[in-house]
Amino acid sequence: DTEVTQTPKHLVMGMTNKKSLKCEQHMGHRAMYWYKQKAKKPPELMFVYSYEKLSINESVPSRFSPECPNSSLLNLHLHALQPEDSALYLCASSQGGRLNTEAFFGQGTRLTVV
Amino acid sequence: AQSVTQPDIHITVSEGASLELRCNYSYGATPYLFWYVQSPGQGLQLLLKYFSGDTLVQGIKGFEAEFKRSQSSFNLRKPSVHWSDAAEYFCAVGAYGGATNKLIFGTGTLLAVQP
Repeated sequence: DTEVTQTPKHLVMGMTNKKSLKCEQHMGHRAMYWYKQKAKKPPELMFVYSYEKLSINESVPSRFSPECPNSSLLNLHLHALQPEDSALYLCASSQGGRLNTEAFFGQGTRLTVV
Repeated sequence: AQSVTQPDIHITVSEGASLELRCNYSYGATPYLFWYVQSPGQGLQLLLKYFSGDTLVQGIKGFEAEFKRSQSSFNLRKPSVHWSDAAEYFCAVGAYGGATNKLIFGTGTLLAVQP
């Protein structure tokens, strides 16, 4: 199983809503990532969890709150988002945080903030 | 600082023609290099990777890439393009991120395939 599963595939939320994005992998990977991707742009790293601990936060606004409940799950909690936060949110995982490991990506959640 | 440059924003090729997508990197140590492909609205799929050894690496879907240290390049090639290859292609380098390493992506090359 080389899959990273993200739910939901699509999400529309108002600026006062609270919602969560979910990501799951069963490859035994110990590093998990959240990326944000705007149209026609490369993915931008948001957060990295390594061995269930937050190891990188790329100065992401606090309205995005990551959580790693266990080694297979990664959540991204959303609150008070702005329309400019509309994007494709990608989850990825890799065996560890080493340079020579490949990252496996999920299909993404298309988020629209209205 | 580490960086990846993809000089071509958009490329159009005819089906059956050969393809080369350019990628240049800036990295102080031995680079770990990747090519990913993304179809519209989808996630990224790894095409191939270079860690060490043979500088010509083979990937999925008939793609190959050649690592040239002297030119700081890792260009992606395919001898005969199929219409299903139309997608966005990203070159990436593995980079130290402090506690955990991370991928740095180029800006991408959008490939269109003409019948």
